[in-house]
Amino acid sequence: SAVISQKPSRDICQRGTSLTIQCQVDSQVTMMFWYRQQPGQSLTLIATANQGSEATYESGFVIDKFPISRPNLTFSTLTVSNMSPEDSSIYLCSVGSGNEQFFGPGTRLTVL
Amino acid sequence: QKEVEQNSGPLSVPEGAIASLNCTYSDRGSQSFFWYRQYSGKSPELIMSIYSNGDKEDGRFTAQLNKASQYVSLLIRDSQPSDSATYLCAVSLNNAGNMLTFGGGTRLMVKP
Repeated sequence: SAVISQKPSRDICQRGTSLTIQCQVDSQVTMMFWYRQQPGQSLTLIATANQGSEATYESGFVIDKFPISRPNLTFSTLTVSNMSPEDSSIYLCSVGSGNEQFFGPGTRLTVL
Repeated sequence: QKEVEQNSGPLSVPEGAIASLNCTYSDRGSQSFFWYRQYSGKSPELIMSIYSNGDKEDGRFTAQLNKASQYVSLLIRDSQPSDSATYLCAVSLNNAGNMLTFGGGTRLMVKP
């Protein structure tokens, strides 16, 4: 499976600020996804990052809050905008390979 | 609404025993089923996928699928303390590697 890296691995941010998370894959992939895992919870899909077009957001997530870029088939970014303590979560990117999805190491975000 | 249900646990088994993890899903049209293992502080790791009724074995792991009962399970034989983790069941409506819905996860504890 592809090797997936994320930056930063963790960050502590002040409310009202924004953080951009990067996801890099070592091979070209068609499908990339962004998930959120709140403390003690399971994974919730935020959006599908589409190369060359706008991301497809799941119910409850909007582009103004979570803008996503996908400039090519190996890279994507997720921005968490105007953060509040409720945004404290682990953010994970994943890639589709065949019928399966594989996850990056995640970004642990704490908002004070 | 798509739902994937798991007993949150913890499920405690002695070392060497069989651990049985269960998952039910609500959408009868679901086609792909996955088990992920997540160690504390780490990202989910895919350990099994299953697409047709019956059993699928991979080493100490066996996935079982019963579409009529909308039920998928994971058996871990000869459980080891290193198997202690949260196991996430994920279900997809297609075989394209997207549209995953995750259950809440079952925490497994294997006691030496």
